[in-house]
Amino acid sequence: AQSVAQPEDQVNVAEGNPLTVKCTYSVSGNPYLFWYVQYPNRGLQFLLKYITGDNLVKGSYGFEAEFNKSQTSFHLKKPSALVSDSALYFCAVRDPSKTNDYKLSFGAGTTVTVRA
Amino acid sequence: GAVVSQHPSRVICKSGTSVKIECRSLDFQATTMFWYRQFPKQSLMLMATSNEGSKATYEQGVEKDKFLINHASLTLSTLTVTSAHPEDSSFYICSARDRTGYSNQPQHFGDGTRLSIL
Repeated sequence: AQSVAQPEDQVNVAEGNPLTVKCTYSVSGNPYLFWYVQYPNRGLQFLLKYITGDNLVKGSYGFEAEFNKSQTSFHLKKPSALVSDSALYFCAVRDPSKTNDYKLSFGAGTTVTVRA
Repeated sequence: GAVVSQHPSRVICKSGTSVKIECRSLDFQATTMFWYRQFPKQSLMLMATSNEGSKATYEQGVEKDKFLINHASLTLSTLTVTSAHPEDSSFYICSARDRTGYSNQPQHFGDGTRLSIL
């Protein structure tokens, strides 16, 4: 079984400060991990993914995420948050050993609020 | 690239009406599309996997006769909410997987449909 946990419902930071959104995962083998962002009344926008290789992944809009196998984590980070980063963030996982099964498992989501 | 168009963006209709939602991949072909339902401030709940040219695969607890899915072409999947009732009011989102992409490619999401049943 595959699952994702986002332990924080909300994250509040001041503009210009570092932003971290936490995610831990559970899969039987090596995971495919994704981060998406959702703005109000919109679909999900892809930010970045980890498949293999370098543990630090860089994505869109200045976001990056660090894969940590020993801690089964994939935390999303941004060095300097913007007010426009305020949104709902989802972590997702897929178990690549499941052939022809492309379903993702999503975390509960974390609402990020960046104050000016 | 990789644009998914979902239509309509918002629907308000009377109880008992059937509502069709379209999900189109505009610049790629998708043998697999997914339909999700999202309640306010909650995560996405996968309803079904739509497979081009074959029957959809529904998740446990999702009524097949209530939520009809058709994936007749490589660029279009439709979700029809039959005889909709107020409890079907929700935000429905589709996503698509590029058939030419590697298995590690992300899903591409539509902008969602806000369904309100009066």
